[in-house]
Amino acid sequence: GAVVSQHPSWVICKSGTSVKIECRSLDFQATTMFWYRQFPKQSLMLMATSNEGSKATYEQGVEKDKFLINHASLTLSTLTVTSAHPEDSSFYICSARDHPWARNEQYFGPGTRLTVT
Amino acid sequence: TQLLEQSPQFLSIQEGENLTVYCNSSSVFSSLQWYRQEPGEGPVLLVTVVTGGEVKKLKRLTFQFGDARKDSSLHITAAQPGDTGLYLCAGWEGNYQLIWGAGTKLIIKP
Repeated sequence: GAVVSQHPSWVICKSGTSVKIECRSLDFQATTMFWYRQFPKQSLMLMATSNEGSKATYEQGVEKDKFLINHASLTLSTLTVTSAHPEDSSFYICSARDHPWARNEQYFGPGTRLTVT
Repeated sequence: TQLLEQSPQFLSIQEGENLTVYCNSSSVFSSLQWYRQEPGEGPVLLVTVVTGGEVKKLKRLTFQFGDARKDSSLHITAAQPGDTGLYLCAGWEGNYQLIWGAGTKLIIKP
């Protein structure tokens, strides 16, 4: 099956700094990528949807200036958490699919654990 | 936006017992998926159900989609410690967005 990777797997950063998380589709071209956030013992919360070459669509309540998403190529999307604060500590998961209407084919990355101290 | 209510939120049982997890909505979904997630990892797709009344089996796991496509269940027979994990249901809203249930944390004690 299709493989999605994330880098890094976990990151610790100091409050006020920025951190970038990469999401790559390894064996397919991802026209659409999704970024999720997950708190302990909770379900996934969609943060934003990005289509290659266009601006991301953010969910209500997600600050677009704080969570910068770039989907510059068909195999790479990045999420940058700017001026991170301890409350941004969470598990961030990306997913990708190879066609805008590939309804049942969405592949998930292994997640990135972010801890802001 | 459609909502998916998943229950129970937490379940701890002994090895060998059976269990059922439910996913309910007042709205119709075009299809519904079940995922399993291990700590520190992304969710892994277990099954997709599309047709109302559909039943799919994956070894000891049985998935059912309600006739009206508003609800689904996951039944595990003779649970094993390896079944421990977070189980998530997710329904497709139209063709574009997955709506997630809150998840069921399942612990199987040896």
